[in-house]
Amino acid sequence: ELKVEQNPLFLSMQEGKNYTIYCNYSTTSDRLYWYRQDPGKSLESLFVLLSNGAVKQEGRLMASLDTKARLSTLHITAAVHDLSATYFCAVDIWPGTASKLTFGTGTRLQVTL
Amino acid sequence: DAGVTQSPTHLIKTRGQQVTLRCSPKSGHDTVSWYQQALGQGPQFIFQYYEEEERQRGNFPDRFSGHQFPNYSSELNVNALLLGDSALYLCASSPRRVGRTEAFFGQGTRLTVV
Repeated sequence: ELKVEQNPLFLSMQEGKNYTIYCNYSTTSDRLYWYRQDPGKSLESLFVLLSNGAVKQEGRLMASLDTKARLSTLHITAAVHDLSATYFCAVDIWPGTASKLTFGTGTRLQVTL
Repeated sequence: DAGVTQSPTHLIKTRGQQVTLRCSPKSGHDTVSWYQQALGQGPQFIFQYYEEEERQRGNFPDRFSGHQFPNYSSELNVNALLLGDSALYLCASSPRRVGRTEAFFGQGTRLTVV
């Protein structure tokens, strides 16, 4: 059974600081997704990582994937309050369409002024 | 493009009742998956529909059933509701083709069982 673990579960950081969220998974996969969720809202797609060594950046967020280590990271640079949300990684091991996702437990990020 | 739409947005039901949730996929998408997200947890896969058939299923009891219509829209039915079924139910759609695709999520239906 595929297991996806994230750490930390909760992260409180000051504006302007850098930090990294880690996502480990237990079964070989080269498809990993990062989502953002605001309280009471749905999931917003942030990054799709589809190969070993993939790196994607959008604004203050950068995601990478190491399939050999079964590890993905979401790096936050110079955090701002607007980044406060819960971040989920999700792994897909089934062929074809990306829709049977196994999610991590989520990392609740709180950026303080 | 309206994206993935779900209805209703909120619902309150009594234990033992039955509920039906609805999902319209994003234009051009033919595969619909349903997820249950309990408070404070990550979404859990319930099942996936393609070509009007259930193709994959997660670890959910038979009380959870679904349907997909010829226009690709889908329903999730839950019978004999339990308090533990209270959750945010998310629908995701994607185009079925071999390769690298992304699932797009609807806004969810918040189900409260009392």
